[in-house]
Amino acid sequence: DAKTTQPPSMDCAEGRAANLPCNHSTISGNEYVYWYRQIHSQGPQYIIHGLKNNETNEMASLIITEDRKSSTLILPHATLRDTAVYYCIVRASGGGADGLTFGKGTHLIIQP
Amino acid sequence: KAGVTQTPRYLIKTRGQQVTLSCSPISGHRSVSWYQQTPGQGLQFLFEYFSETQRNKGNFPGRFSGRQFSNSRSEMNVSTLELGDSALYLCASSFSTDTDTQYFGPGTRLTVL
Repeated sequence: DAKTTQPPSMDCAEGRAANLPCNHSTISGNEYVYWYRQIHSQGPQYIIHGLKNNETNEMASLIITEDRKSSTLILPHATLRDTAVYYCIVRASGGGADGLTFGKGTHLIIQP
Repeated sequence: KAGVTQTPRYLIKTRGQQVTLSCSPISGHRSVSWYQQTPGQGLQFLFEYFSETQRNKGNFPGRFSGRQFSNSRSEMNVSTLELGDSALYLCASSFSTDTDTQYFGPGTRLTVL
């Protein structure tokens, strides 16, 4: 699986959009970009995933660049409950291999 | 649908003992994966089960084992516990082994004294 690079931490004001970047410059054509988040000591929560098109669901939007070498997770109106560690993961379709590979993620802190 | 459930949520054991953790996947999900999370190593893949068969295994010693039952529920066992086994153990389920969206349970916090 391709490796990802994320900033270790970010701050965002409550009510503003939080934009979390992820670099995955070695991504392969069959690899999806997945985002999970983990609130302290809880299980990771699935947020969204995509292959090449931008995606949106009730939680967030995922913007993937045309060359697919980077992506941005957008939380449109951040709340204090969005404070968590956010993980960007790239993973080939077809499963198998060695499970999800979690890096260190980005610790997003929402400020009141 | 109910989410992934794990029991127990908290456990305290002493070195040398063994422990069994349980995971019930989301209804209809047939793949169960286990992960270990520690402050030093982060989230690491232990193994994956699908249709009662271990499909993949991470880089952990043989003291870590698991199994899956016909109803897709899974258990993991750690024998001869060491202090370093203190961790949050997470279970994740997905519809099949080829579907990558895994949904995680709340975890079991194991403390080894």
